[in-house]
Parts: sequence; C-alpha cells; structure tokens
Amino acid sequence: DSGVTQTPKHLITATGQRVTLRCSPRSGDLSVYWYQQSLDQGLQFLIQYYNGEERAKGNILERFSAQQFPDLHSELNLSSLELGDSALYFCASSSQGTSNQPQHFGDGTRLSIL
Amino acid sequence: QQQVKQSPQSLIVQKGGISIINCAYENTAFDYFPWYQQFPGKGPALLIAIRPDVSEKKEGRFTISFNKSAKQFSLHIMDSQPGDSATYFCAARNTGNQFYFGTGTSLTVIP
Repeated sequence: DSGVTQTPKHLITATGQRVTLRCSPRSGDLSVYWYQQSLDQGLQFLIQYYNGEERAKGNILERFSAQQFPDLHSELNLSSLELGDSALYFCASSSQGTSNQPQHFGDGTRLSIL
Repeated sequence: QQQVKQSPQSLIVQKGGISIINCAYENTAFDYFPWYQQFPGKGPALLIAIRPDVSEKKEGRFTISFNKSAKQFSLHIMDSQPGDSATYFCAARNTGNQFYFGTGTSLTVIP
C-alpha cells in the first residue's frame, strides 16, 4: 500500500460531461503529481502541485484543471469529455517539491467515456 | 514526439536469466532518470533511479547503466524471478520538473 488514496476507482460517464477525480497524498507529503495512462499514449505527466501551488505543467489539456487544497488533497477536473479521454488517471505524491524524492503512486481512477 | 524511447515492447526471460530493457533520449536537459515497475491493477512503483553524473547504480538485483554520451540508459534485472513479471517504464525529468515516460516493457519471467 503506497499510502496514496484515489477516488473513485472507476468512473463511467458520457461525452460532454465533467468529472472530478480526487487524490489524498501520503501523510506528510507536500507534492502531488497527476498522470494519464492510456493504451496509445502511454504514461503522460499532466501537472504537479507543491503545498498548494502549481509547480510544473506537462501535457495537460485546457479542458483539464487541477488544484491542491490547504489540507493537501488534490482534485483533477476534466470537462467537455471526449472518447479519447478514457484512460487511467494516476496521482502520485512525494515529500518535497523536487522529484528526486520518490513518487508514491495511487492505484488510479479508471475513467470510461461512453 | 516520444521524448524517451523504450525497447523492447515485450520480453520473455527464463527464471534465473538476465532481463535487459533499454531507453534512449534526445533532450540534454534531462537530469534524473527513474525506472518504475507496474503490476496489473496497481500504480507504478519507483524501482531505482540515477542521475547523469553516475554511470551505474545497483540496488539488489536491479542495475541501471547510464551512457551520457550516447544518451542511453538501461535496466538490468539479474537472476530474474517470476515475481518480477510486470511492466517496466523508464522515465526522464527535465530541469523544469516535467516527466517523460517510455512506452513500457512487459516482462514475463518463465519458471
């Protein structure tokens, strides 16, 4: 058990809808990372937050947004969903803002767009 | 454009053999190279990582070899065990703290 909790585990919705994925980092970790894993694109880094502030940005679409709250949990919001957004979304946490610290991954949220 | 190229896509090794997975990159701004292991239904787990000022790092049966001039790095799993059967990802981080992953290698270790 990595100590990172992601909810929900599965999410099924329709095109055009909006969903929110939630991540609780390991106790004491200040940094949260979001990743998308799909069959055709592999594992893609989306965005990183450190202690409530955006730290690094990857291949995150404009339809997607994230935030980290004062209690350090994070949410990834996906809107105007398209079939191609179907994927596994992972959250990872680390103790500091630099990623030389190990990232601990949750078990992911599987998003299916019908 | 794939920033980190990983091969092979799949690998079958006999128990006790050596598993070798290779990665190559172009961006000289990468400064940290982790390897992750992922089991079905689970998130990736950090296995071992290396910085470009080191040519080799060993942790137990796992070794990273790093060739800075060739912009290549590889994971060697010695004495491979059936429990090592998983998907392995190499990754690289740039100075902007952005991560790029290889496409993964599915390793099967046959008893």
